[in-house]
Formats: sequence, structure tokens, C-alpha cells
Amino acid sequence: GAVVSQHPSWVICKSGTSVKIECRSLDFQATTMFWYRQFPKQSLMLMATSNEGSKATYEQGVEKDKFLINHASLTLSTLTVTSAHPEDSSFYICSARGFRNTEAFFGQGTRLTVV
Amino acid sequence: DQQVKQNSPSLSVQEGRISILNCDYTNSMFDYFLWYKKYPAEGPTFLISISSIKDKNEDGRFTVFLNKSAKHLSLHIVPSQPGDSAVYFCAASDYNTDKLIFGTGTRLQVFP
Repeated sequence: GAVVSQHPSWVICKSGTSVKIECRSLDFQATTMFWYRQFPKQSLMLMATSNEGSKATYEQGVEKDKFLINHASLTLSTLTVTSAHPEDSSFYICSARGFRNTEAFFGQGTRLTVV
Repeated sequence: DQQVKQNSPSLSVQEGRISILNCDYTNSMFDYFLWYKKYPAEGPTFLISISSIKDKNEDGRFTVFLNKSAKHLSLHIVPSQPGDSAVYFCAASDYNTDKLIFGTGTRLQVFP
């Protein structure tokens, strides 16, 4: 399958700082990228959907000013957690898809711990 | 509002037997369905998918069945192997909104 690289795989930051997570599709052009969050023993919660060159569509309850998503090119999307707090600690996963109704491929995930 | 549900949080199957994982959805606009396998602290790995125009898709040991009238799909793994032990997620895609929504997951354990 296609390769999606997510970086970093883990990060520890201080409360109040911002953290940027990168998601790259290495061997295909991702017209759509998804960002998910997973709490322990829970499902993947869709945070936002982004299409290259346009603003991300956020799910209800997700603060767009806190979770900044940029999808500047067909191979790169970034998620920035601004002014992070301990409750933002979670496992964040990105996914990329070339066309609608095709499989989406996932990055390795990023474990964020805010202390 | 959980649009995609997997009502069995866990399933235990003996090696060599069939594993059947079930998934139900509520949104009739979903038209493409996928199954993913996930290990802890890793991203999901794509297994198999099915379009709403089909009712069955097979790939090796994995077969996905879709019953649109019941809004139900299932993943069959046969024969099950210990390496299949993981959490399995079904996902559904809405062509109009382009979203990919995941179910709650089923933890499969295949024992010798």
C-alpha cells in the first residue's frame, strides 16, 4: 500500500506551548487528508478533513483555533496544537487519500504528552 | 452520535477457525466501506474495502460482506491466525462530505 509518514512519533511539551505534527504522503498525491484523535481504549475520532489548498472542515466540538490544520500541498498536511494543555494529551493520527471512494492510508501516529 | 458502530468490543477465536467481525451504520449516504487493523500506538493498516454497488469483496483470507438494506457489513477472516490478533475498525465514507468515519473497534484475539 501507499506510504504516509507522520512526524514526530512522540512529543512531550510544556503546558502553554504549541506543537506541530507533520503528515506526508510519500508516494502519492493526497487530495484529502484526515486528522484523528484516539483516547485510550476508544475509537478514532475524526477531528477535521482537509483538502489541498482549502480550509479544513472541522468536526463539531473541535476548536479550529486550537487545532490549526494546514494542507498546503498535495503531499503535506500539518496539525498544530496551540497553547497545549494536559487534556490535549492523546494519540493523533493522520490519514491521506488520493481520490474519493478509495482507501485512505494512515501515518504511524503521534503520541502527544503535555506536562 | 455514533454513525458507525461495532457492537462487539472483543472477540476470541481459535486458530484455524473463522473470525466474523460485524459493523452497523446509520447514515444511508455512506457508499464506501473499509476495514482496518490496528496495533497499539500505531496507525491503522488498510485491509479490504467494498463499494456500495457490491455485496461481497474477497482478498485472500479476508472477505467483506455488505447488506445495504440492513446497513450492516461484516469481515470474515478464515482461517484465523494468531498474527491476526489486533483491533479491527470498520470505516465508512460519504461521497458527498468526503469524510471517513470509524467504528468503535473490535479487539480480536486468536488463540492456538
